[in-house]
Amino acid sequence: GAGVSQSPSNKVTEKGKDVELRCDPISGHTALYWYRQSLGQGLEFLIYFQGNSAPDKSGLPSDRFSAERTGGSVSTLTIQRTQQEDSAVYLCASSLVGSQNYGYTFGSGTRLTVV
Amino acid sequence: RKEVEQDPGPFNVPEGATVAFNCTYSNSASQSFFWYRQDCRKEPKLLMSVYSSGNEDGRFTAQLNRASQYISLLIRDSKLSDSATYLCVVWDSNYQLIWGAGTKLIIKP
Repeated sequence: GAGVSQSPSNKVTEKGKDVELRCDPISGHTALYWYRQSLGQGLEFLIYFQGNSAPDKSGLPSDRFSAERTGGSVSTLTIQRTQQEDSAVYLCASSLVGSQNYGYTFGSGTRLTVV
Repeated sequence: RKEVEQDPGPFNVPEGATVAFNCTYSNSASQSFFWYRQDCRKEPKLLMSVYSSGNEDGRFTAQLNRASQYISLLIRDSKLSDSATYLCVVWDSNYQLIWGAGTKLIIKP
């Protein structure tokens, strides 16, 4: 696609429910990143994929969070038993080769609200 | 100490003025540096990379000082549309970007 696509754009869920967020990166981009941004805060790194593997999962805040990527393309971020503190904008970004010379292109994010 | 630090601002600047932001980083081995711009409730967008020799893109100038471990962004002849949060980003390994919390800029008419 022309850009990084994320869905849904907005999600309101009840505390305790599971949610699944989707990211469709730019075609051909091998590196994919998930970030979280709470209101008025900076970006919090969650996980990085190179192809289908995730060399760095260190940013996942708890074992309720998991992510996978299949076919070197679409990625899903799953949050189980959501809590109110999970409310944030979840941003996905992709990069051509994950090397040092490239910045990232971000999707427009999924705004998650846990009530 | 945070890995990447920025003055959160806000910087309130009259239209047409020149404004500069600094950003410091802790890892002397960092190799690549970027400035991103984020509008309210929008995703960050790449503004410019920062090269060792410094680089300019229109009204925007980015500079790197490795000895003091900081990068800077200079905006000349500021426009109302420059109002945004400016994020400093440092590549701290071969696959992870470290983000500053951002500096909020408000351009006043």
